[in-house]
Amino acid sequence: SQTIHQWPATLVQPVGSPLSLECTVEGTSNPNLYWYRQAAGRGLQLLFYSVGIGQISSEVPQNLSASRPQDRQFILSSKKLLLSDSGFYLCAWDRGNSYEQYFGPGTRLTVT
Amino acid sequence: EDKVVQSPLSLVVHEGDTVTLNCSYEVTNFRSLLWYKQEKKAPTFLFMLTSSGIEKKSGRLSSILDKKELSSILNITATQTGDSAIYLCAVERWRRGQNFVFGPGTRLSVLP
Repeated sequence: SQTIHQWPATLVQPVGSPLSLECTVEGTSNPNLYWYRQAAGRGLQLLFYSVGIGQISSEVPQNLSASRPQDRQFILSSKKLLLSDSGFYLCAWDRGNSYEQYFGPGTRLTVT
Repeated sequence: EDKVVQSPLSLVVHEGDTVTLNCSYEVTNFRSLLWYKQEKKAPTFLFMLTSSGIEKKSGRLSSILDKKELSSILNITATQTGDSAIYLCAVERWRRGQNFVFGPGTRLSVLP
């Protein structure tokens, strides 16, 4: 069976500090991978998606970046966090021909 | 700009009531519409709809898509306190890597 992991579960970081969130998927190969952000009272916003190693597409301009160093590993990073980066970050994966996305447990980020 | 709108944004009912949640969309290259239930952290999949007029049903939950009206409804009959959650509507677009536009969600609270 497939599982998706995210860590850390919660994170409190000061403004201007760097960020690294990690997501890994087990039990499948060559998944599509996604990073979403859910701000308070707002829907899920797609940040990045990846169809393969080293292939990253950005949906919105921001101070965040993503990388996919391995087939089942997806990393969300920032060099300098902003207050507006606070939110709930979800990693998700799907198969190329599947309609359903599977979400990780999420990371709650608070930038102070 | 593609968008998904949900209404109401919040709803409070009593156990046993029937609720109808609405989702409308303006999306290019529509592929499918999905409903998710989000209780604490990660959303869980409920339904995927691609064809207009065909009802999907699972227990007390049902959903139908109207492609002409660019909308969908999610019905929950005989609500229970365990139905309390945020219900997310998402539209999938025909794009490389597949990707989804999420609505803001409807926060449903079911009181005993």
